[in-house]
Amino acid sequence: GQNIDQPTEMTATEGAIVQINCTYQTSGFNGLFWYQQHAGEAPTFLSYNVLDGLEEKGRFSSFLSRSKGYSYLLLKELQMKDSASYLCAVSSGGYQKVTFGIGTKLQVIP
Amino acid sequence: DSGVTQTPKHLITATGQRVTLRCSPRSGDLSVYWYQQSLDQGLQFLIQYYNGEERAKGNILERFSAQQFPDLHSELNLSSLELGDSALYFCASSAYGKSGNTIYFGEGSWLTVV
Repeated sequence: GQNIDQPTEMTATEGAIVQINCTYQTSGFNGLFWYQQHAGEAPTFLSYNVLDGLEEKGRFSSFLSRSKGYSYLLLKELQMKDSASYLCAVSSGGYQKVTFGIGTKLQVIP
Repeated sequence: DSGVTQTPKHLITATGQRVTLRCSPRSGDLSVYWYQQSLDQGLQFLIQYYNGEERAKGNILERFSAQQFPDLHSELNLSSLELGDSALYFCASSAYGKSGNTIYFGEGSWLTVV
């Protein structure tokens, strides 16, 4: 089976940096996604990591360590609109079965 | 707009009834996924199809079934509905259902069972 763990809630201050961690256990791992989801809306794609290391995309960066089964999403220069749930998802298998973690609800405060 | 279309957007039905949720994937996408999200819960993977064939199955109840048609649209059938089936049901699609293909989500179908 698959097991994906991430904190359920985090709070951070506007303008600050926050790191959301995700650990996973799976067989047939072939990549890790991060999605953002505002309440009642569809998840939107943020990043995809398949190799170890850091992928930077504007204010958002994502890191992967396959040997440790660990990833994090780094959000810089936080804005109020970044208040949302951040979903870690693992892709596995030849046809890319994608399993999501419970999501981390981030609250950005002034 | 992700290009994934789901209908209906909202549905209210009684316990014991049956409903069908419909999904049209992005143009050209061969793989379709169905997820269930209950209030304040994570996305639960239900099932995945690739070019008409079932490819992966998650925690899908026996009362639920799905299929993908030759034109690549998909339907999720929910029968003998219970109050606990009330949730937001998402469809998502990806180009080839293979590693590295981004999954795009539709806006979801809100199902309320009363």
